[in-house]
Amino acid sequence: EVQLLESGGGLEQPGGSLRLSCAASGFSFSSYAMSWVRQAPGKGLEWVSAINYPGTVTHYADSVQGRFSISRDNSKNILYLQMNSLRADDTAVYYCARGDTAGHRKGPEYWGQGTLVTVSS
Amino acid sequence: DVVMTQSPLSLSVTLGQPASISCRSSQSLVHSDGNTYLNWFQQRPGQSPRRLIYRVSDRDSGVPDRFSGSGSGTDFTLKISRVEAEDVGVYYCMQGIQWPYTFGQGTKLELK
Repeated sequence: EVQLLESGGGLEQPGGSLRLSCAASGFSFSSYAMSWVRQAPGKGLEWVSAINYPGTVTHYADSVQGRFSISRDNSKNILYLQMNSLRADDTAVYYCARGDTAGHRKGPEYWGQGTLVTVSS
Repeated sequence: DVVMTQSPLSLSVTLGQPASISCRSSQSLVHSDGNTYLNWFQQRPGQSPRRLIYRVSDRDSGVPDRFSGSGSGTDFTLKISRVEAEDVGVYYCMQGIQWPYTFGQGTKLELK
């Protein structure tokens, strides 16, 4: 069974940093593209960042470019999102999501339960 | 960015009746590989999103056959042939033709 378990969310002040983690199990993690998608309270879905299976190609939404960094450790089956210079509008539930071996064009087939990030003073 | 526009944004349907959601993209979603990358997701209250349909009309495993997708180019439709109570939630279309991949605003389905 595919499982994606996010952690690392919480309350942080504007300008601060957080690192989200996503522990993957139930599939060959190193063979699949992974991504982070967020949802602000009461709002829709926004793709934040994506990474290919070997970790050599990354993509970012304009809203987080230069502040967030996605990475993966294929030896530990963990996906990361380093979030710096946090702003109030980064407040959201952050979902870890799995694409397929080629990427995310067909959309994520599997999603984690999400971790809440709140940016407030 | 490719803009995805859904309509209606809210839908109230009687149990057993059909429902239809439209999704329009600001540019063609036909890729050079011949596939059209339009996908549909369901988000039930308090749950994570779930993919229902990918590449316009391919239904995911375990998705009831009352859900169907159709369309081409820039105009797409998700249809539920007979709405059941478990279908309540928000439905999103999503394009995979160009990064950043984008979602529609969402259509909230409720029971009348």
